Amino acid sequence: DAKTTQPPSMDCAEGRAANLPCNHSTISGNEYVYWYRQIHSQGPQYIIHGLKNNETNEMASLIITEDRKSSTLILPHATLRDTAVYYCIVRVAPGFGNEKLTFGTGTRLTIIP
Amino acid sequence: DAGITQSPRYKITETGRQVTLMCHQTWSHSYMFWYRQDLGHGLRLIYYSAAADITDKGEVPDGYVVSRSKTENFPLTLESATRSQTSVYFCASKRTGVNYGYTFGSGTRLTVV
Repeated sequence: DAKTTQPPSMDCAEGRAANLPCNHSTISGNEYVYWYRQIHSQGPQYIIHGLKNNETNEMASLIITEDRKSSTLILPHATLRDTAVYYCIVRVAPGFGNEKLTFGTGTRLTIIP
Repeated sequence: DAGITQSPRYKITETGRQVTLMCHQTWSHSYMFWYRQDLGHGLRLIYYSAAADITDKGEVPDGYVVSRSKTENFPLTLESATRSQTSVYFCASKRTGVNYGYTFGSGTRLTVV
């Protein structure tokens, strides 16, 4: 699975859009980008994933560059409850016998009131 | 209620004791996982299971035993607990396929004294 690089920490004002970058310059054509977050003391929570098209769900948007070497997770209107560690994970398409997920160190996002 | 539950929430045990952490999911997800989380190491995969009676080692399996006689349960046993196994343990489950993320339990905080 491709390696990812994320800033260790970021701040964002409450109500503003939080844009979390992830670099994955060695990504292969069959690898997906997944985002999870972990709020203090809780288990990680799945947010969104994508292959090459931009994706949006009720939680966030995922923007993947055309060359797929980087992506940005966007929380459109950040709230204090969005304070968490955000993990960007790149991995091949899961299938039988290949569902393992490896977490890096992530970005600690702090929402400022 | 549907979901994934871990028990106990907190556990203190003595060095050398056997202790079992329980994980139960109500969705009949094929895959189940055990992670441990330590300061400075992030989340590390201990064991995972693709289906009942199918288990495999993760990154840090030494000192742990798992079983999966039923799809919904995936207990993790520390046969002879050591202080280095003091950690927060998270169980997760997942449906097979690229369009599904992991769902994590609330964690078990284990202290070995």
